[in-house]
This record gives sequence, C-alpha cells and structure tokens, in this order.
Amino acid sequence: DTEVTQTPKHLVMGMTNKKSLKCEQHMGHRAMYWYKQKAKKPPELMFVYSYEKLSINESVPSRFSPECPNSSLLNLHLHALQPEDSALYLCASSQDRLAIQETQYFGPGTRLLVL
Amino acid sequence: EDQVTQSPEALRLQEGESSSLNCSYTVSGLRGLFWYRQDPGKGPEFLFTLYSAGEEKEKERLKATLTKKESFLHITAPKPEDSATYLCAVRGVQGAQKLVFGQGTRLTINP
Repeated sequence: DTEVTQTPKHLVMGMTNKKSLKCEQHMGHRAMYWYKQKAKKPPELMFVYSYEKLSINESVPSRFSPECPNSSLLNLHLHALQPEDSALYLCASSQDRLAIQETQYFGPGTRLLVL
Repeated sequence: EDQVTQSPEALRLQEGESSSLNCSYTVSGLRGLFWYRQDPGKGPEFLFTLYSAGEEKEKERLKATLTKKESFLHITAPKPEDSATYLCAVRGVQGAQKLVFGQGTRLTINP
C-alpha cells in the first residue's frame, strides 16, 4: 500500500482566518514533505521532515507553519494568507530522505483558495 | 545546479498512435530519475524510478528508459485514459534531499 491521505480536499479561507491542512501515511515512512503547486507548474518543495524533525525549510513565509506530531502525521498550519497563496498543496512521504534509493509518494492534495 | 527539461510541453495524439516523451537532465551524480503521472487537480501518481544508464521499466502501455543525459517515456498504442501531465524529476548527490522537477508534458489522447 502506497497511500498518502490528505484532508480537507478543498478549503476556502479569508486572509484573517487560521486553518490547518492534514496529511497521514501508514507506510512506515520516516520522511514527509509539503509541496505547493500552482496551475500548469511542477510542485515546489516547501518543507521536509525527517524522523519527525524539520530538516528543510525552503525559505517559506512564516504564515505557513509545519508540524509533525508523529511519524505518520504531518500538518500545515495556515494564518494570514494572501490570495497568491491559493494553490494545490501536496503532501508526500518517502522511506528515508537520505536513503540511496527511494521514491516519494504523493497524496491527492488540498485545493486552497484564499479570498 | 541540477536541471530537468521536458519536451514537448504538450502533445496531442490519436488513440493507438505511439510516441515518446523526453526528459533531459543535468545532475551532479544521479541518485534516481522519477516519472509521475498527474491528472488535473490531483496529486502526482508514481510511475517509475530509474537509477542507472541502460535501465528500463515497463507498466502496461508505458516504458521508461534511461541514458546518462536523458530519459524517455514511451507510450505504446495509447488510450484516452492515458491523457494526463507526465512529470519527470531527478535526485542528485548534492541535492539529495530534494526532487528537481521538469515542467511536465501535457499529453492528450483523442478517441
């Protein structure tokens, strides 16, 4: 089973709202990722967690706050977003980000619209 | 800096018309080349991982090949349900923590 789940599927929020995106995997993977994808563009890496510790932050604005409560869960807390943050947010996981050979498996994404 | 270029940007084929998608890459020590399929509004679906030149992998109507400079995704006798964006990505030794994606090829198969 290579399933990564994400909730919610769709989210509409105002610029003053606080919301959270959730991601879950039960493959025993120890690396989890957040990506942002705009229309007709490839995914852009935002954050990487390895063994529940933040290992990469791609200079993402502080209005995005990641959290990894345990090895199966990954959250992305959103606050004071801008309309240009509207995008498809993708979660991915892999066995270990430093493994010689590994593959990232993606979830279905959360479509976010900021009004 | 690792780079990936995919061509063509878009490809329209008739059902049954075989073709190939190209992924050219420059990377400091390849640790994996990945092909994904993405349907509109959905997450990328993993297709193949290739690790060394000469390697080939197949799945149904798809076959991926790898050389030292590029990878091809061959589509044999495609069906309309093969319509999607196909993404190529690489992991290199220096940027081992990150996937570097190409811009994708939007494939449309007309019945």
